[in-house]
Amino acid sequence: DTAVSQTPKYLVTQMGNDKSIKCEQNLGHDTMYWYKQDSKKFLKIMFSYNNKELIINETVPNRFSPKSPDKAHLNLHINSLELGDSAVYFCASSSRTGISGANVLTFGAGSRLTVL
Amino acid sequence: AQKITQTQPGMFVQEKEAVTLDCTYDTSDPSYGLFWYKQPSSGEMIFLIYQGSYDQQNATEGRYSLNFQKARKSANLVISASQLGDSAMYFCAMREGRNTGGFKTIFGAGTRLFVKA
Repeated sequence: DTAVSQTPKYLVTQMGNDKSIKCEQNLGHDTMYWYKQDSKKFLKIMFSYNNKELIINETVPNRFSPKSPDKAHLNLHINSLELGDSAVYFCASSSRTGISGANVLTFGAGSRLTVL
Repeated sequence: AQKITQTQPGMFVQEKEAVTLDCTYDTSDPSYGLFWYKQPSSGEMIFLIYQGSYDQQNATEGRYSLNFQKARKSANLVISASQLGDSAMYFCAMREGRNTGGFKTIFGAGTRLFVKA
């Protein structure tokens, strides 16, 4: 069983469209995240939810809206897609327990979004 | 503001030799964690090793060890006996605020490691 699963893996769409990426984790973790990895491989945190509550909201355009229906799911909806939104979006989860409270991130496989 | 710096965009190492990937960090939080992640060409992010700011000993995990120098704010990754499969992008990361509500892990720009046969 995949620990953190994201769908879809690839997404190609036109500018101006709206799209969603879904994420589910079966690790029992209490915190989930969205990261964006750009073409230069730089990883930047976008959002974090802890037990369905938004706790980190970085400087992200409000066209991006995360939703966490329960602590095992975190979805990302993007409105009015722009060329600059093309990237790989990683979902991750963590738990504050384990490895002395390290909060190790377990990542999904990533969703590659291409905006034409 | 917290910051992670990886100054080596690319590194080459001969198979079976050891290699050190550099990482320096900056934070005003006394409680923090340092991580290394590996990203092979297939794209997944793989956790390698963790060091807590209060840990007295350097972390080791198999062929990976973290050379933690707190006063210098450095957390270099040492890979011993390099293998061809070690060729990948390596990211240093830092998490602040162990006891606060929002755990935030930030990443360095990464170092691409090439292992030569």
